Amino acid sequence: EDQVTQSPEALRLQEGESSSLNCSYTVSGLRGLFWYRQDPGKGPEFLFTLYSAGEEKEKERLKATLTKKESFLHITAPKPEDSATYLCAPLNGGFKTIFGAGTRLFVKA
Amino acid sequence: EAGVAQSPRYKIIEKRQSVAFWCNPISGHATLYWYQQILGQGPKLLIQFQNNGVVDDSQLPKDRFSAERLKGVDSTLKIQPAKLEDSAVYLCASSFRGDRGDDEQFFGPGTRLTVL
Repeated sequence: EDQVTQSPEALRLQEGESSSLNCSYTVSGLRGLFWYRQDPGKGPEFLFTLYSAGEEKEKERLKATLTKKESFLHITAPKPEDSATYLCAPLNGGFKTIFGAGTRLFVKA
Repeated sequence: EAGVAQSPRYKIIEKRQSVAFWCNPISGHATLYWYQQILGQGPKLLIQFQNNGVVDDSQLPKDRFSAERLKGVDSTLKIQPAKLEDSAVYLCASSFRGDRGDDEQFFGPGTRLTVL
């Protein structure tokens, strides 16, 4: 059975304090992996798609990387507006997206 | 470009009552998804439509949930009768192609359902 585990469940950072969020997965026939951001009371918003191990993508203060069993979302010098829940979602061999429970990020000014 | 529209935004019902949610995807998007998101969890796919045909409904509790996508555009999701454990946010999403599942999904704001 496909499984996705995100850690930590919650992360509190000071503004400017860089850190990483982890997504580990056991997925049959991985075809890609998505990262989404979700603000309270809103639907998820697309950030990145990664397709193969070793791939990296960047957007502003965020950088996503992919290995064969994990993906990391690195946040460099975060700002309070980066506070949100970050969802990892591998795409399995049947073209089904499996969402993790997310990491809730709080950035304090 | 208008986003995915959902209504209502909030709904409170008694258990055993019925409820319906409506979704209007982004114009031209072939694929439409309904997700259930329980507090503290990630979205769980209930049903996926490609145009007006069902691609995946393996996690839809078919004894109480039903969904349709008439003319390949708008969609409705119905729960009858509702149970306490159905309390969740119901998210609708759409994607342009979606036949391989690898294009980004655009989500609506969701409908928060509370079953008392």
